Amino acid sequence: DVKVTQSSRYLVKRTGEKVFLECVQDMDHENMFWYRQDPGLGLRLIYFSYDVKMKEKGDIPEGYSVSREKKERFSLILESASTNQTSMYLCASSLTDVNEKLFFGSGTQLSVL
Amino acid sequence: ELKVEQNPLFLSMQEGKNYTIYCNYSTTSDRLYWYRQDPGKSLESLFVLLSNGAVKQEGRLMASLDTKARLSTLHITAAVHDLSATYFCAVEANFGNEKLTFGTGTRLTIIP
Repeated sequence: DVKVTQSSRYLVKRTGEKVFLECVQDMDHENMFWYRQDPGLGLRLIYFSYDVKMKEKGDIPEGYSVSREKKERFSLILESASTNQTSMYLCASSLTDVNEKLFFGSGTQLSVL
Repeated sequence: ELKVEQNPLFLSMQEGKNYTIYCNYSTTSDRLYWYRQDPGKSLESLFVLLSNGAVKQEGRLMASLDTKARLSTLHITAAVHDLSATYFCAVEANFGNEKLTFGTGTRLTIIP
């Protein structure tokens, strides 16, 4: 089974802290994604990556950065956390193939106080 | 900019009834995905629809895609309580970069 693992299920941080959200997949997928999920807004894409050291901005990249030093690991970084970044963060991965779908991690619920 | 709209946003239905969730999108695409999310859980893939007229069925759920109308439907037949969940559609715009745009989701509650 494909496994996408997010390191924390719940996180509580203070405004201004630097926050790292980690995601690891074990299926040798090229593509990795970070989404945030908010009630009434669905899932919105923050950043994605097609390969190691490559990254592309999604629809809402402001206030975030990412790192992909190894194929299996994709990190989301909040340089200076703010209260409006309180959200559920979902990592996903996929193969580059027309029939492939996204596989999601279990999510990290981040609260910024 | 690709926009994906689902309706209804909330749906409460009795067991045994049939209903349809609609997913409209704003630009050309021939790849559409349906996902299910249980409360407190992550998203699970249900269907991948890759061409006009595609129809996929699993159990009491059937999904279809009309690319000309830019519309997908998720039909629920004889609903059972286990189908209570939030359902998302997601569309990949036709520039082949694997990026999906999600709808806002439909929260489905099946009442015994």
